[in-house]
Amino acid sequence: EPEVTQTPSHQVTQMGQEVILRCVPISNHLYFYWYRQILGQKVEFLVSFYNNEISEKSEIFDDQFSVERPDGSNFTLKIRSTKLEDSAMYFCASSVDRPRGNFGPGTRLTVT
Amino acid sequence: AQSVTQPDIHITVSEGASLELRCNYSYGATPYLFWYVQSPGQGLQLLLKYFSGDTLVQGIKGFEAEFKRSQSSFNLRKPSVHWSDAAEYFCAVGNQRASNLFFGTGTRLTVIP
Repeated sequence: EPEVTQTPSHQVTQMGQEVILRCVPISNHLYFYWYRQILGQKVEFLVSFYNNEISEKSEIFDDQFSVERPDGSNFTLKIRSTKLEDSAMYFCASSVDRPRGNFGPGTRLTVT
Repeated sequence: AQSVTQPDIHITVSEGASLELRCNYSYGATPYLFWYVQSPGQGLQLLLKYFSGDTLVQGIKGFEAEFKRSQSSFNLRKPSVHWSDAAEYFCAVGNQRASNLFFGTGTRLTVIP
């Protein structure tokens, strides 16, 4: 069964640095999402992407965040200038139609 | 406002015992409901979902859940728990129009021999 994949599994960065988290959604899916989970807290929606544009975003998804689908297979989340509070597990998800989502294994981002 | 409540932070059950994890939701539209499981250090695996129709839905790994509109609940059940079921369980709600899912805070399940 096809799965959503994410790289890297763990990213350590210094405060103020830019990071790019990468995801390969399931190939025939049309909707793409990013969620995050701060340690010990609930999973929170960041952004959804459809037809090469953002379809919805949460209050968390401020100007420091951006998403891109640079080619036919990858879906990326960029954080321009990381803050300590950006430390979290970031999950990518994709779906044929909303709102269901197949989640990837996550990237643990640690900002020091 | 949309929200999901999982009132039990941590549940401990004996292997072979039955399990029920509670989930209550508050949602303005017709809800789509989900249960996900997360093993330590792993991603979220979909156990089951409810969109419409039969209010008792079957999922993977022997889990089932029942949608009760009058109680705004979607409780997860399993008749006989296995040690491998120890994990964190998340209930989530969405709808047909919205892209995003709202998650509960999760219930951590411990299984003792």
